[in-house]
Amino acid sequence: RKEVEQDPGPFNVPEGATVAFNCTYSNSASQSFFWYRQDCRKEPKLLMSVYSSGNEDGRFTAQLNRASQYISLLIRDSKLSDSATYLCVVNSFNKFYFGSGTKLNVKP
Amino acid sequence: DAGITQSPRHKVTETGTPVTLRCHQTENHRYMYWYRQDPGHGLRLIHYSYGVKDTDKGEVSDGYSVSRSKTEDFLLTLESATSSQTSVYFCAIHSPGTGDGNTIYFGEGSWLTVV
Repeated sequence: RKEVEQDPGPFNVPEGATVAFNCTYSNSASQSFFWYRQDCRKEPKLLMSVYSSGNEDGRFTAQLNRASQYISLLIRDSKLSDSATYLCVVNSFNKFYFGSGTKLNVKP
Repeated sequence: DAGITQSPRHKVTETGTPVTLRCHQTENHRYMYWYRQDPGHGLRLIHYSYGVKDTDKGEVSDGYSVSRSKTEDFLLTLESATSSQTSVYFCAIHSPGTGDGNTIYFGEGSWLTVV
């Protein structure tokens, strides 16, 4: 069983749409959680950390449900520049596990 | 800029030859990692280091070895390259902390092709 599971997509949405990505993780002892963004042929870069209380950064909202071992990312008012692959990341005792990524295509 | 450089960035090598990839960091991070990324598999941990001369295996360590003789350098060696090791290799760094500081930062990647 994979440590982190994500829907690979792709999600094809028009500009201005709201889109949600989900992820589940298997290790209940995991300590910290993140969403990363990866553009084609580039390294992954931190988008935002995810906290149990939920957190927001502009158009992006992340949620963590420890009981269900579930992480989500909501993108509002999608921009063309949001097109990328979004990776769910879990830190378990300083080892980082990555989902395989969800590809987002935002269309004009 | 997380202060990580990888070399070489691109390499083509022949099956059976040894290959060493280098990761260099300038910010004194304790943890360093080597991942490979392949279509359909995402990022998979090869080896990691939690200090000078302290290393451990990840989920796909077969065929790879690592060394960390200095804080700033983490080397990944393919003893005898095979076509299945054609991949993009990412080095990453981490120092335990809080919030966004408690995360992992990547180098730009090394594209390796084994022919």
